[in-house]
Order: sequence, then C-alpha cells, then structure tokens
Amino acid sequence: EPEVTQTPSHQVTQMGQEVILRCVPISNHLYFYWYRQILGQKVEFLVSFYNNEISEKSEIFDDQFSVERPDGSNFTLKIRSTKLEDSAMYFCASSEVGGTGVSPLHFGNGTRLTVT
Amino acid sequence: SQQGEEDPQALSIQEGENATMNCSYKTSINNLQWYRQNSGRGLVHLILIRSNEREKHSGRLRVTLDTSKKSSSLLITASRAADTASYFCATAHMDSNYQLIWGAGTKLIIKP
Repeated sequence: EPEVTQTPSHQVTQMGQEVILRCVPISNHLYFYWYRQILGQKVEFLVSFYNNEISEKSEIFDDQFSVERPDGSNFTLKIRSTKLEDSAMYFCASSEVGGTGVSPLHFGNGTRLTVT
Repeated sequence: SQQGEEDPQALSIQEGENATMNCSYKTSINNLQWYRQNSGRGLVHLILIRSNEREKHSGRLRVTLDTSKKSSSLLITASRAADTASYFCATAHMDSNYQLIWGAGTKLIIKP
C-alpha cells in the first residue's frame, strides 16, 4: 500500500538555526498538509498546499515557516529560525481529492524536531 | 478555534471486551474522522462519517454521529492487544476546506 514518507525521523537543532523537514506524499495525491503535535498536546494544523500554492494556513504558520514542492515528488517544510517552542512532532499528510470535506488524510510517521 | 474533545482520556480494558470512546465538537461540520496513533508513529485513518450519516461500520469498528448533540462515538468490538493505541477524532468544519480540528485523544490499553 502506498505511504507518505518523512525524513529525517529525528532532527536536533540549535535555537536560531534553519531546518528543512522533508516529505514524499503518495504519488497520485493532489493535496498536501503539515501538522504538528507538541508532546502531550493536540495535533495542530499548520498549512495545506494545492496546485503549487498554499490553500490555507493557521495562525501558527507565521513568516518563520514556508513550504515548497521543489519537484514532482517532494514536499518540504522550512523553519527559518527555530525557537524552543518549535520542538514538536511534525507530520506530513496527503489526500487524494477535495480537501478535508471529502477525503481522509494519509500521514507519514513524522519528524521529531528538538530545538535546544 | 473550536476543538473536538474525546472522553475518556484513558481507557484500560481486557482483551475481548468492547471499547467505546466519545468525541464532542462545537461547530457545524462537513464530516468527522477517527484516527489511530500507535506510540511514536503517524496517524492512521480509521473511518470518515459525513454530517448526513448517523452510523458507519468498518470491520470491528462502529462510529455514530449525532449532529444535534455535536457528538460522535467510536466502538471497537472484541478488542485485541493490537488495538492498544491513542484514538483521535478530527472534524472538518464548514468554514474550512482543508483544516482538521483535532481532539486530545483517548489512550486505549488492551490488557491480554
């Protein structure tokens, strides 16, 4: 069964450094998402991406964050200058059609980001 | 923003018993979805129920939706040790095409 893959599984970085989290969504999916889950807290929506542009973003997704689909397979989340409070598990997801109103999300196993 | 809330927060039952988890939400929705998360892993979609549906089955899973009470339940019948995981409800709201709002989850432990 096709799956969403994320790399790396764990990233440790120093405060102020830039990080790029990588994802390969399921190949025939058209909608891509980033969510995060701070340890012990709820899953939070960051951003959705469709047709090579951001379709929706949350208040969390400020100017420090950016997303990109650099080629036909990868989908990346960049945090420009990491803060301690960015420490979380970051999940990439994709869906086939129609956004959340229609189809379920397929998640990767996440990247655990630790900012020291 | 409105968020779903599951109860109980934690549930521990014997293998073979049924497990019921509940979810409440606050605003009108397009659909409600249930996901499972094994420790340290990603979220796995279990079932999606649309706002005009009242009940849905998938294998040992049964989901109900009561839009008048803004609540849903997930029933796992004949539980197995492999069902041990956290279970989350997520709602797709009418004012958003792309964002799921998540509950805090129910941690389910199945004792062998």
